[in-house]
Amino acid sequence: DIQMTQSPSSLSASVGDRVTITCRTSQNIDSYLNWYQQKPGKAPKLLIYVASNLQTGVPSRFSGRGSGTDFTLTISNLQPEDFATYYCQQSYSSLYTFGQGTKLEIK
Amino acid sequence: QLQLQESGPGLVKPSETLSLICTVSGDSISSSSYYWGWIRQPPGKGLEWIGSMYYSGTTYYNPSLKSRVTMSVDTSKNQFSLKLSSVTAADTAVYYCAAPGRDFGAPMDVWGKGTTVTVSS
Repeated sequence: DIQMTQSPSSLSASVGDRVTITCRTSQNIDSYLNWYQQKPGKAPKLLIYVASNLQTGVPSRFSGRGSGTDFTLTISNLQPEDFATYYCQQSYSSLYTFGQGTKLEIK
Repeated sequence: QLQLQESGPGLVKPSETLSLICTVSGDSISSSSYYWGWIRQPPGKGLEWIGSMYYSGTTYYNPSLKSRVTMSVDTSKNQFSLKLSSVTAADTAVYYCAAPGRDFGAPMDVWGKGTTVTVSS
C-alpha cells in the first residue's frame, strides 16, 4: 500500500488568512495526488486533481503543488465557507489511499 | 451529468453481510469512462477506500478488507453493488459510492450523497 501522511490534523485560522496543508506519500506517485473538501454531513468534493489542476467551479484561492512524495494544498484569503475538513488521496496506485484529514476551524 | 445514489439497509446485525447498491444515472454503467467505487467513513473518522471495479469485472479491493468484500455490476439495472461479510461494529460507517475516471490517475469527481449503515444487534 501507499501510505499517506497528512499534516496538520487540525488548524485554526481567521477569515482572510492563508493556510497550507501538507501531504506526504510513502513512495513516488508522480503528480497523482488529489485534494477533497468535506463539510459535515456531506460527501467529499473534489477540489484539485493531479496535484495542481483546479476542478471546474472551484475558486482560484485554492491551489495545489508538488510531485514525487511531497504535496501541498494552499488556501489564500480564507472565506467562511472554506472551514471544513480536507483530505488528500493518491490515484497513482489502483489501490487508492486517503490522508487522515485536516480539520480547518475558525479562530 | 453523472449522478450516483446509494441504497440499502441502515441496520445490519453483527456477523451478517452488509449489502448496498449504487444506482447510476446520466450515463451507462458500461461506459468506458469510469470505474465504480465504494468509500466509507466511520463516525468522526476519515475516509477509507473499500474498492473499485470496471463494468467488465476487473476489481481492486482494499487489502485490509479484501477477504470480506465483493463488488459486482448489474448492467441491466445500471447499478453496482457492495457486499461486506462478517460485519462487526467497526463496519458502522457512512458508505459512499463514487466514480473514478478510467484514465490513469484520474480522481473521484462524482460521489453519491452517502448512506449510513449501523452494525448492531
